[in-house]
Amino acid sequence: DAKTTQPTSMDCAEGRAANLPCNHSTISGNEYVYWYRQIHSQGPQYIIHGLKNNETNEMASLIITEDRKSSTLILPHATLRDTAVYYCIVRVALNDYKLSFGAGTTVTVRA
Amino acid sequence: DTAVSQTPKYLVTQMGNDKSIKCEQNLGHDTMYWYKQDSKKFLKIMFSYNNKELIINETVPNRFSPKSPDKAHLNLHINSLELGDSAVYFCASSQPWTPRLWEQFFGPGTRLTVL
Repeated sequence: DAKTTQPTSMDCAEGRAANLPCNHSTISGNEYVYWYRQIHSQGPQYIIHGLKNNETNEMASLIITEDRKSSTLILPHATLRDTAVYYCIVRVALNDYKLSFGAGTTVTVRA
Repeated sequence: DTAVSQTPKYLVTQMGNDKSIKCEQNLGHDTMYWYKQDSKKFLKIMFSYNNKELIINETVPNRFSPKSPDKAHLNLHINSLELGDSAVYFCASSQPWTPRLWEQFFGPGTRLTVL
């Protein structure tokens, strides 16, 4: 699997957009980018995934660069409830069953 | 309606005891998982079952034995508990053979404390 690199932590003001970067320079053509988050004392929660096109759902937007070597998760209007650890994961969609979580980015949304 | 549920939520026990954690999902998924999150917060997969068959066993000690009575349930039995088994254990499920394989739904976790 391609390795991902994320900042250890970041702060964001409530109501502002939070932009979470992820580098995956060794990504293969058939690997998807997935984002999960883990709010304190809860199980991880799937947010969004994409292959090469930008994606948007009710939770967030995912922007993938044209060369696919990096991506950005955007939380459009961060709330205090978005404070969590965010994980960027790269996986081949249909290949085996292992989902490997790294250290992630600890995002703190401040009032 | 809870999609993935685990019982118990907290489990405190003595070293050497045997304990079980239960997991149930009502999503109709074919694949279920157990993950362990240690004190350093790293989340690591332990086991995966697809349609009641073991498909992943990530070098977990033999003291850990998953059991899947049907595809909606995946229980984790731990023998001879050790201090190092203290962690939060998460159950998850997903539907394979589609890109949604990686949309894993996690349970609330079971915090195991071994004294």
